[in-house]
Amino acid sequence: QSALTQPASVSGSPGQSITISCTGTSSDVGNYDFVSWYQQHPGKVPKLIIYDVTKWPSGVSSRFSGSKSGNTASLTISGLQAEDEADYYCCSYADGSAYVFGTGTKVTVL
Amino acid sequence: QVQLVQSGAEVKKPGSSVKVSCKASGGTFTNFAVNWVRQAPGQRLEWMGTIIPIFGTTNYAPEFQGRVTFTAVKSTSTAYMELYTLKSEDTAVYYCAKDVGGYYYFDPWGQGTLVTVSS
Repeated sequence: QSALTQPASVSGSPGQSITISCTGTSSDVGNYDFVSWYQQHPGKVPKLIIYDVTKWPSGVSSRFSGSKSGNTASLTISGLQAEDEADYYCCSYADGSAYVFGTGTKVTVL
Repeated sequence: QVQLVQSGAEVKKPGSSVKVSCKASGGTFTNFAVNWVRQAPGQRLEWMGTIIPIFGTTNYAPEFQGRVTFTAVKSTSTAYMELYTLKSEDTAVYYCAKDVGGYYYFDPWGQGTLVTVSS
C-alpha cells in the first residue's frame, strides 16, 4: 500500500488560512469517506483533529476543517496561530480493511 | 475513558526480536481494535496492522506480514506486538492506537515505545 501524497511543507502568516492536500487512489481516499487527520508536535503523540473527512472530535478547534473531492482530501486551517506549527498527517481506510497514512506535511507559521 | 499505556524503551541487536505491550487503562477490551503504528526518526507514520482482542483476529500490513505477530490477553486488557528479525531500519517509535468498531480513526494513542536496533 503506497503512502498518500501530501506536500512536504506549507507555511502561512498568523491569521491566514492554509490548505494541505492528501492524494490517494480509488482503493483508499476515493472509495471511502473515512479520512482522518492527525496533528503531531515534535516529540509528541499524534492527536486526532478530523475524522470521517469533515467531523471534529470533542475539544478540537473549528479552525480545522476537512473536505474531499475524488481521490484527494484536504485539511484547511483557518486563522493560523503559532500553536498550529506542527506536522500533519492524513490517514485513509483502504481496501482489505487496511489503513494508509500520508507522507506528512510540516506547517510553519511565519 | 480508556487510555493506552505502553511498555518502556528497548535496545535490541540486529536479528533479534522485540515485544511491546499496550495496556488498556480505565477500561477493558470491549468492542474496539488495537492498531499498531510506527514512526522511524524524522519519518512518516506507518500503519502496521490491527488486532481485535475480543476475537483474536488480526490484519497485517503487507510490508510486515510474516515478520510481526499481534496478540492480546483479555484478562489483563493488554495487547502485544512482537517484531522479529530486527534490522537497523526498524529503529522507530512504536505506537498502539484504538479504533472503535464502525469508526475508522485512531483515538486515543499510547505514549509510544522507542525501539532502537543497534549492534
